[in-house]
Amino acid sequence: QVQLQESGPGLVKPSETLSLTCTVSGGSISTYYWSWIRQPAGKGLEWMGRLFGTGNTNYSPSLKSRVTMSVDTSKNLLSLKLTSVTAADTALYYCAREARILEGGLYSYSHYMDVWGKGAAVTVSS
Amino acid sequence: EIVLTQSPATLSVSPGERAALSCRASQSVSNNLAWYQQKPGQAPRLLIYGASTRATTIPARFSGSGSGTEFTLTISSLQSEDFAVYSCQQYDSWPSTFGQGTRLEIK
Repeated sequence: QVQLQESGPGLVKPSETLSLTCTVSGGSISTYYWSWIRQPAGKGLEWMGRLFGTGNTNYSPSLKSRVTMSVDTSKNLLSLKLTSVTAADTALYYCAREARILEGGLYSYSHYMDVWGKGAAVTVSS
Repeated sequence: EIVLTQSPATLSVSPGERAALSCRASQSVSNNLAWYQQKPGQAPRLLIYGASTRATTIPARFSGSGSGTEFTLTISSLQSEDFAVYSCQQYDSWPSTFGQGTRLEIK
């Protein structure tokens, strides 16, 4: 059963770059879409973007200028970088796998999240 | 982007009773809506996708209904482990968006 584990610094200074990784264990990374989602305390979930296991990415328009997602298939590792952070970026950051459906011998992709990590808390403060 | 509005923000229900949580979309999302359960310190858990299909291992007391702009998650007989935060997500239109969540608490 696939499991996801986010990790990274819990404290980042304003204007610096937030960097997180997500270790994928128990399953393939290269043939799925993977999303990053964040949740400020007491607020709703915000989808940040996704990448396919081959490296193709789609970013949320609101974060596109600051976010970079990448994948290292040799290490089964996903990475998230968010530049020029402010206090508004303080949140619990999740990685999640998007669903893949087998129909008629072919895979199709549906962009709901069927597996989530437990999240990594990041605070932006000097 | 599509805005999802969940209501109520907090719902107080007694164990054994039925709970109905609402998710309204600012424009049609067809049936491309999912529901998730969140508990503190735990990974969010997929409950429903396609507006009404239960995910693997989800008990039958959870059901989803609706299409277009109006959706409901119903829990038929609340168990102690069901008290949590529930969020809806639309994946019909890019970017995907989530509702603000409904907190289901013990009455």
